[in-house]
Amino acid sequence: GNSVTQMEGPVTLSEEAFLTINCTYTATGYPSLFWYVQYPGEGLQLLLKATKADDKGSNKGFEATYRKETTSFHLEKGSVQVSDSAVYFCALFPRGNKLVFGAGTILRVKS
Amino acid sequence: GAGVSQTPSNKVTEKGKYVELRCDPISGHTALYWYRQSLGQGPEFLIYFQGTGAADDSGLPNDRFFAVRPEGSVSTLKIQRTERGDSAVYLCASSLGAGLAHTDTQYFGPGTRLTVL
Repeated sequence: GNSVTQMEGPVTLSEEAFLTINCTYTATGYPSLFWYVQYPGEGLQLLLKATKADDKGSNKGFEATYRKETTSFHLEKGSVQVSDSAVYFCALFPRGNKLVFGAGTILRVKS
Repeated sequence: GAGVSQTPSNKVTEKGKYVELRCDPISGHTALYWYRQSLGQGPEFLIYFQGTGAADDSGLPNDRFFAVRPEGSVSTLKIQRTERGDSAVYLCASSLGAGLAHTDTQYFGPGTRLTVL
């Protein structure tokens, strides 16, 4: 079946630290991969996506590379800000019609 | 333009009551999805509409849950005989629905927080 595993949080970092949030997946076929972000009090927003192996999605300084050989889509940012504090969800979209989400990782950035 | 909207934003009801949750997708989006998010979890798929028809309702937990989209735009999720375990945030998303489904980006609404007492 299709599933997503994310690193457990919360992840607590100081401002300007390097961020990695690990995401691995199990899927049949060749899914698209997404990172969504949920800021406090707001709805889910698409952060970035990659639709095929070796694609790199990027947005707002965040990056993730679709690694088929390791079935991973780790989220990285070189220098986090307090405003990046949120819950981050990794998701896959197999050839079907339902996004499959991980459990989410809480990120807290301290000034 | 306007994003996906959902009403009400909060709904408190008593066990056994009937509730309706409404979703207004982005104009022109033919695909509409319902998800349920329990506390501390990622969203879980409930049902998917392409146009007016439910193309995949495999995520609906039981026959107390039903959804409609009669004119291919607004959708209503209906829950009968609510139970305390139904308490969650119900999310609606829409996408263009054209081309390859697995590359379509889904845009989410702010959700309806349902509390069953």
